[in-house]
Amino acid sequence: IVMTQTPLSSPVTLGQPASISCRSSQSLVNSDGNTYLSWLQQRPGQPPRLLIYKISNRFSGVPDRFSGSGAGTDFTLKISRVEAEDVGVYYCMQATQFPYSFGQGTKLEIK
Amino acid sequence: EVQLVESGGGLVQPGGSLRLSCAASGFTFSSYEMNWVRQAPGKGLEWISYIRTDGTAMHYADSVKGRFTISRDNAKNSLYLQMNSLSVDDTAVYYCAASISGWNHDGFDVWGQGTMVTVSS
Repeated sequence: IVMTQTPLSSPVTLGQPASISCRSSQSLVNSDGNTYLSWLQQRPGQPPRLLIYKISNRFSGVPDRFSGSGAGTDFTLKISRVEAEDVGVYYCMQATQFPYSFGQGTKLEIK
Repeated sequence: EVQLVESGGGLVQPGGSLRLSCAASGFTFSSYEMNWVRQAPGKGLEWISYIRTDGTAMHYADSVKGRFTISRDNAKNSLYLQMNSLSVDDTAVYYCAASISGWNHDGFDVWGQGTMVTVSS
């Protein structure tokens, strides 16, 4: 399954919203009815960190300014008000079927 | 504290082999599926391998199938990646990763710091 993210780069003003899109080449609905689409953040020099799982579930400790939505093949990560600590690269990942796959990554930077 | 610590990276010549290890602590390793993910310098993340809790099922990315072998030793709380026939395209930071808050396909909530593998003559 090919995961395609847009945009690849997103300059955002502090306090403003940001949105990242992720599209899969086929439906991510699993035979069990769940959709295994997650979002990860990778800050410079750090390993990735899980933000969102199963489309819209925020992982423990993730600020509520992060939200996920979507269905089938189209998904979105939104940050309601960007903060300086949000700078990094964001990846969507599908784990509905093997081989798992990541999007190319979207670099979030501050204007 | 839940922790994954990779080791075994280094410089290897094209065609060579390397074995990576990932030491787990702070959770019941034998109860969790495990994965390897890599990241070439300046590039994105690439999932490369998975292993079931008891080691009876494995999956690989096409890019490493037939060359890499994932394994685990639950008695030693350790995950391994045997890498053979290495090419320059395998140069990357290699991470072990797992989901310990849910099922493997819920997303990886635990990551190691990574170990660098450089394939060069």
